[in-house]
Amino acid sequence: AQSVTQLGSHVSVSEGALVLLRCNYSSSVPPYLFWYVQYPNQGLQLLLKYTSAATLVKGINGFEAEFKKSETSFHLTKPSAHMSDAAEYFCAVSDQGRDDKIIFGKGTRLHILP
Amino acid sequence: KAGVTQTPRYLIKTRGQQVTLSCSPISGHRSVSWYQQTPGQGLQFLFEYFSETQRNKGNFPGRFSGRQFSNSRSEMNVSTLELGDSALYLCASSNGVQGTGMNTGELFFGEGSRLTVL
Repeated sequence: AQSVTQLGSHVSVSEGALVLLRCNYSSSVPPYLFWYVQYPNQGLQLLLKYTSAATLVKGINGFEAEFKKSETSFHLTKPSAHMSDAAEYFCAVSDQGRDDKIIFGKGTRLHILP
Repeated sequence: KAGVTQTPRYLIKTRGQQVTLSCSPISGHRSVSWYQQTPGQGLQFLFEYFSETQRNKGNFPGRFSGRQFSNSRSEMNVSTLELGDSALYLCASSNGVQGTGMNTGELFFGEGSRLTVL
C-alpha cells in the first residue's frame, strides 16, 4: 500500500527566503503525486501534481516540485517566500492502478517570519 | 462555477448524540469523498461515493456512515458521538473515482464542517 511521509510538522522561513517542504513516498507502482495547500479556515486546494510526465512540475503561486524516483521524494520548493504563503501543506500519493486511493501526509505548517 | 458547499460550517454536540453533515459537489462531479482532519492524524479517508454507491471505505467504525443522492449530493452521519470525533470533516468532489485506475487525482474540497463534541 502506498504511504506518504512529510518531514517536519512545522517549518519557519524568513520572508524572501527559500521554501523547502519535504515529502517522501512509498508506492509499489509508479505513483501520482500531489501537493495541496490549506489556508486558515478553508478547505484544501491543489498546488501541483505529477502524473509521470516531466519530473519537474510547476504549480500555482510560484511553487514547484521535483519527482526523484531514486530518492522516492517529491519535495516542494519556492525560491522566495511571501507572507501569503503561510498555510498548511499536504503531500499526497495515489498509485497508478486499480487501488488508486489518494493518501495524504500529515501536513507541514509553514510559518513566514517578517 | 460554484465550488463544493458543506453545511453546517460549525456545530457543537454532546457525547452520545448523532450528527448529519451535508455536501454539495461541484456541478457535474459525480464522486464525493469524505475526510476527517485532526491535528494529530492529518487527513484520514472516511469513504467515497459515486453514482449513489459507496466505492471505497477507510478504517473507521460503523458509527460513521454516508450516502449519496441521485443529484450527487452526499451526507455523512456519525452516531453515538465520542469526544474523539471532534474534528474538521472535509468533503471533496472530483470527476474521477478513486480505486478505478481512472483517478485524475484532483480533488476539490469544501471548507469543511467543524464538529466539536462536548
